Amino acid sequence: EAGVAQSPRYKIIEKRQSVAFWCNPISGHATLYWYQQILGQGPKLLIQFQNNGVVDDSQLPKDRFSAERLKGVDSTLKIQPAKLEDSAVYLCASSLAGQAQYFGPGTRLLVL
Amino acid sequence: AQSVTQLGSHVSVSEGALVLLRCNYSSSVPPYLFWYVQYPNQGLQLLLKYTTGATLVKGINGFEAEFKKSETSFHLTKPSAHMSDAAEYFCAVSDSGGGADGLTFGKGTHLIIQP
Repeated sequence: EAGVAQSPRYKIIEKRQSVAFWCNPISGHATLYWYQQILGQGPKLLIQFQNNGVVDDSQLPKDRFSAERLKGVDSTLKIQPAKLEDSAVYLCASSLAGQAQYFGPGTRLLVL
Repeated sequence: AQSVTQLGSHVSVSEGALVLLRCNYSSSVPPYLFWYVQYPNQGLQLLLKYTTGATLVKGINGFEAEFKKSETSFHLTKPSAHMSDAAEYFCAVSDSGGGADGLTFGKGTHLIIQP
């Protein structure tokens, strides 16, 4: 069974630029999550989707971050414009209803 | 609101020695607790989880954890450390059964194995 796929694995941008990350969850997993992991900290939930609907985006900085999951499968997370403090690893996870979450390898973002 | 506290950002043990990683949580509802491991440049891998039932939970790679409600703890142990156990370990809490809601993570504990 293929795991959660994410791309790109690494991205370096300058502040005020925009960037997008892509996630393909495990086949059949209706729930998809995006987490932000700043160096030295645990992951923090940014947004949770159930199929193509948003369940929880209470910790998403909506002035600069956006996410979508149009067909209930793949998802993209966008930052526009990026700030220095957005440097982090962005993790995507997916799960079956009521089951544990499986994580992708993450996208490491560096904002200069 | 839920929170997780992991005592010790770094823990060092000798190969073959007992591993003990501490986790305390706070939750307003019966918690569901998880331990994840993260190897360098990789995503998080589920080690074990507690939902309901038996309070001693066995996971992969010889790890186990015990849920102690009176102490609000969920410490992770392994009887004999192996060099391959060197990694970052995260404790997490959710207020839904399998972790279907977003997880709240601790800051992590870096496990160092001395030869």
